[in-house]
Amino acid sequence: KNQVEQSPQSLIILEGKNCTLQCNYTVSPFSNLRWYKQDTGRGPVSLTIMTFSENTKSNGRYTATLDADTKQSSLHITASQLSDSASYICVVSAGQTGANNLFFGTGTRLTVIP
Amino acid sequence: DAGITQSPRHKVTETGTPVTLRCHQTENHRYMYWYRQDPGHGLRLIHYSYGVKDTDKGEVSDGYSVSRSKTEDFLLTLESATSSQTSVYFCAISESINKNPRISPLHFGNGTRLTVT
Repeated sequence: KNQVEQSPQSLIILEGKNCTLQCNYTVSPFSNLRWYKQDTGRGPVSLTIMTFSENTKSNGRYTATLDADTKQSSLHITASQLSDSASYICVVSAGQTGANNLFFGTGTRLTVIP
Repeated sequence: DAGITQSPRHKVTETGTPVTLRCHQTENHRYMYWYRQDPGHGLRLIHYSYGVKDTDKGEVSDGYSVSRSKTEDFLLTLESATSSQTSVYFCAISESINKNPRISPLHFGNGTRLTVT
């Protein structure tokens, strides 16, 4: 069964600290993995997209890694800011059928406190 | 932000009534999608569209229908709303056929919160 699991469910960190969010998946065949940020009351916004051949992708203070062998990805946030408070969603795309074959994790809720 | 507008942003309706949600885009993207987001679930695909009058079902399509008569508009209709359809509904778009949708990001609207009483 194609599944995407994220951990932890929620996380509270102090402003300025780093954190790492995890994503494990069982989606097959694998096409690409995406991380999205979703602010409260807003739609998700794309942070990174990684294909099978990419094992690291950065977007400012966000760095995503992918290990296609172990089917794991992580999102590392450096020097957190209050504006990083949001849900982070891992999404895995399967097979050849395009964006209509995406599997979404339930997200990690990150709260950054002063 | 990608030019995606969802309307209404909030709606409360009664069980058994029809409801139509609208998604309007200004990006001229070919692909459009309707998702629902519920606690404890990842986003789930309801219906999607490859182009004008070209639509297909997603994972949770029962009780929903869609129409796309113009590139910019994608409508989601609940023929007879039920309490299980209380959810937040997101419209998304992705790049035209000139870019592979497999590796192009989805751009989401800001959602419609629907409550069915």
